[in-house]
Amino acid sequence: NAGVTQTPKFQVLKTGQSMTLQCAQDMNHNSMYWYRQDPGMGLRLIYYSASEGTTDKGEVPNGYNVSRLNKREFSLRLESAAPSQTSVYFCASSVREGVNTGELFFGEGSRLTVL
Amino acid sequence: QKEVEQNSGPLSVPEGAIASLNCTYSDRGSQSFFWYRQYSGKSPELIMFIYSNGDKEDGRFTAQLNKASQYVSLLIRDSQPSDSATYLCAVNGRSSASKIIFGSGTRLSIRP
Repeated sequence: NAGVTQTPKFQVLKTGQSMTLQCAQDMNHNSMYWYRQDPGMGLRLIYYSASEGTTDKGEVPNGYNVSRLNKREFSLRLESAAPSQTSVYFCASSVREGVNTGELFFGEGSRLTVL
Repeated sequence: QKEVEQNSGPLSVPEGAIASLNCTYSDRGSQSFFWYRQYSGKSPELIMFIYSNGDKEDGRFTAQLNKASQYVSLLIRDSQPSDSATYLCAVNGRSSASKIIFGSGTRLSIRP
């Protein structure tokens, strides 16, 4: 019953440091997502991967890179962290239902602080 | 203009009353519409999804979709204190059915 697993759950970085957030899903879903959530801002889409081998920019992609390593795994990399990237990051996955996108299943979130 | 707009609230509703949450979206080609509930410090969880114009009911929850007006709503009947949470509206885009955009959320408080 793992669902969507994110690591790490908490991380503190200094400005300029790099790090990678890992995400894996065991539901055989096609699509995977990275969102960030700041107070009062809802969820903002960073990048998404509609299927294995494809990635696309979302609403706020600047300062991030992603890799869809295989169908299960989708990682998010911060090359040079900035205080503006302090946020809670959520990974999610979904399955397509015909022309529609199905329910998003979320990981527990990763709280990142950049000093 | 944001792609998905919600009133941030807080919306305060007495216990037992109907809570009405609203959402508008800008992409006329959107086909998938979702309502998620998020408790403080937790991940969002799906409440309802709707693909066709009209109403869809599930227990105390009713989702309403009006594509002509680009409007989605969520009604919660017989509101309970456990319904106090942030409600997030999400919509997919015409350019990519897999691109799911969220509104900023409406904070709902049910007062006893």
